[in-house]
Amino acid sequence: KNEVEQSPQNLTAQEGEFITINCSYSVGISALHWLQQHPGGGIVSLFMLSSGKKKHGRLIATINIQEKHSSLHITASHPRDSAVYICAVLIGGSQGNLIFGKGTKLSVKP
Amino acid sequence: GAGVSQTPSNKVTEKGKYVELRCDPISGHTALYWYRQSLGQGPEFLIYFQGTGAADDSGLPNDRFFAVRPEGSVSTLKIQRTERGDSAVYLCASSLTPAVRTDTQYFGPGTRLTVL
Repeated sequence: KNEVEQSPQNLTAQEGEFITINCSYSVGISALHWLQQHPGGGIVSLFMLSSGKKKHGRLIATINIQEKHSSLHITASHPRDSAVYICAVLIGGSQGNLIFGKGTKLSVKP
Repeated sequence: GAGVSQTPSNKVTEKGKYVELRCDPISGHTALYWYRQSLGQGPEFLIYFQGTGAADDSGLPNDRFFAVRPEGSVSTLKIQRTERGDSAVYLCASSLTPAVRTDTQYFGPGTRLTVL
């Protein structure tokens, strides 16, 4: 069973396009993380949010707790944004565990 | 300062052998996490340390897996009698706040383990 579902699994875009990656989850959560994983395995935490919306540069993350859904948006996409984007949810309260989605592989073509 | 480092970056071993994977967290980070990522999958939680003690080891798949953090900084993940199914990238992460898992986690580059 997958408690965290991401869509699409793979995404190819042209440079400059607006990107949306979706994450749906089936359980109650304390928080949701968006992570970026580059080839070779390095993972960087982009956002942690429990409500509303956060923005950092060209990245925007939103969450709708009632609908159990979050989106990650990238504006004016660039080839250097190519990576796997992973959604992870924290269940079990502040002492709970992170449950990860399988990731969305984004490739931005110049 | 330096980020989370992991050694070795790659480890190839034979089925049945014992392996140790090392994680050096960011200096001053009290919380340390181990995850395992199989090909095409997201990371999977293994164990979480607060300081020297394993606060949650519920993700360890079986008793062949064990992790220590004797001085509250460097951690070693130990796998006995390795099996081919143990092949994965083992990721370590650390965070500053010891008590709250909502704190940002900083990931290391991972150790790719291949069991032949």
